[in-house]
Amino acid sequence: AQTVTQSQPEMSVQEAETVTLSCTYDTSESDYYLFWYKQPPSRQMILVIRQEAYKQQNATENRFSVNFQKAAKSFSLKISDSQLGGAAMYFCAYRDNYGQNFVFGPGTRLSVLP
Amino acid sequence: NAGVMQNPRHLVRRRGQEARLRCSPMKGHSHVYWYRQLPEEGLKFMVYLQKENIIDESGMPKERFSAEFPKEGPSILRIQQVVRGDSAAYFCASSGGRGRGTSGSEQYFGPGTRLTVT
Repeated sequence: AQTVTQSQPEMSVQEAETVTLSCTYDTSESDYYLFWYKQPPSRQMILVIRQEAYKQQNATENRFSVNFQKAAKSFSLKISDSQLGGAAMYFCAYRDNYGQNFVFGPGTRLSVLP
Repeated sequence: NAGVMQNPRHLVRRRGQEARLRCSPMKGHSHVYWYRQLPEEGLKFMVYLQKENIIDESGMPKERFSAEFPKEGPSILRIQQVVRGDSAAYFCASSGGRGRGTSGSEQYFGPGTRLTVT
């Protein structure tokens, strides 16, 4: 069974600084998708960024970028220019190309300090 | 272009009562997923449905929980004889299908229903 691990339960970053959130996963599949979702206090799950495993190029989306290391099964999220409104839980998620559901990590609570 | 809708947003039930949670997928989506989130934890998969079919219910407790996605109307997650341990946020997500490509890979989440059992 696939598993997703986020080893940082909590992180903090100064406003306008950069922070990296870690995610590792375990799978025997070669074709899959990886996601980062953000959950602010409103509890709405918001898709931040998506990476297809068959693409070597790291995905980027505005201030968000990933470092995808397929051999190491690592998928970290870099947030640049952190904003005060960016405080939230960040969840890493995995989905293989044949399954249906997502497997989520336990989350990292990110605080943005003024 | 409405997203995934869930109602009610908050539901309070006494122990032993029934809880019904509704989910209307995004327009054009025929795949619905239910997840449960306990406080301070990530989302745990419960069940995956297509219209009139349960595709995967491996994450659903065997007793008291059921789900349906009828041909017409929203998907329903039903919890009978609720207990305090059922208190959680229940999220519904929808997608356009399986497989490679944007429509198959992404799931769009509703705002969730927070169930409180007193």
